[in-house]
Amino acid sequence: AQSVAQPEDQVKVAEGNPLTVKCTYSVSGNPYLFWYVQYPNRGLQFLLKYITGDNLVKGSYGFEAEFNKSQTSFHLKKPSALVSDSALYFCAVRVPGQDNAGNMLTFGGGTRLMVKP
Amino acid sequence: KAGVTQTPRYLIKTRGQQVTLSCSPISGHRSVSWYQQTPGQGLQFLFEYFSETQRNKGNFPGRFSGRQFSNSRSEMNVSTLELGDSALYLCASSLAGVAAGELFFGEGSRLTVL
Repeated sequence: AQSVAQPEDQVKVAEGNPLTVKCTYSVSGNPYLFWYVQYPNRGLQFLLKYITGDNLVKGSYGFEAEFNKSQTSFHLKKPSALVSDSALYFCAVRVPGQDNAGNMLTFGGGTRLMVKP
Repeated sequence: KAGVTQTPRYLIKTRGQQVTLSCSPISGHRSVSWYQQTPGQGLQFLFEYFSETQRNKGNFPGRFSGRQFSNSRSEMNVSTLELGDSALYLCASSLAGVAAGELFFGEGSRLTVL
């Protein structure tokens, strides 16, 4: 069975500083990896995904994520945090190659990012 | 382009009742997925529909069911409600193929069971 872990419930950074939100995964096979963000009382918004190719993936709002196969990690990063980045971030995995996989994602528990002015 | 629309946004039910939630996907999206979000269990996959067929189902009891119509709109139903069913129910639509996994979520239906 596949699983995703986000080891930090909360990450606090100062505005302008770099941020990292950690994610590790456990799957059999090559995963599709995703990051989503959730603002208060809203649904989730897609940020970026990794399928194959370059290990550094760029996404929306200046976010990027680095895929590391040996460490089974997919950490979300941003060079300079904004107060408006404060939200709940979810890492997710989908295992391709199964005809019926469809859009069934397994999500991590979420990490609350707080960016202070 | 209109986003994913979920109705109702908020509802309160009592134990034993049933509830039906509705989801209208983005135009052109044929895949509709449902997720349950709770503080304790996080985001859990309920089921996915594609072209009116259930393609995947999560580990939820049979009280949870769904369907998809020919216009891709979807409904989910929960019968014999329990207190533990209180949650935010999120619907997401998606294109198939290479965009698989890129889900567009609605704002959710928040269900409170008393």
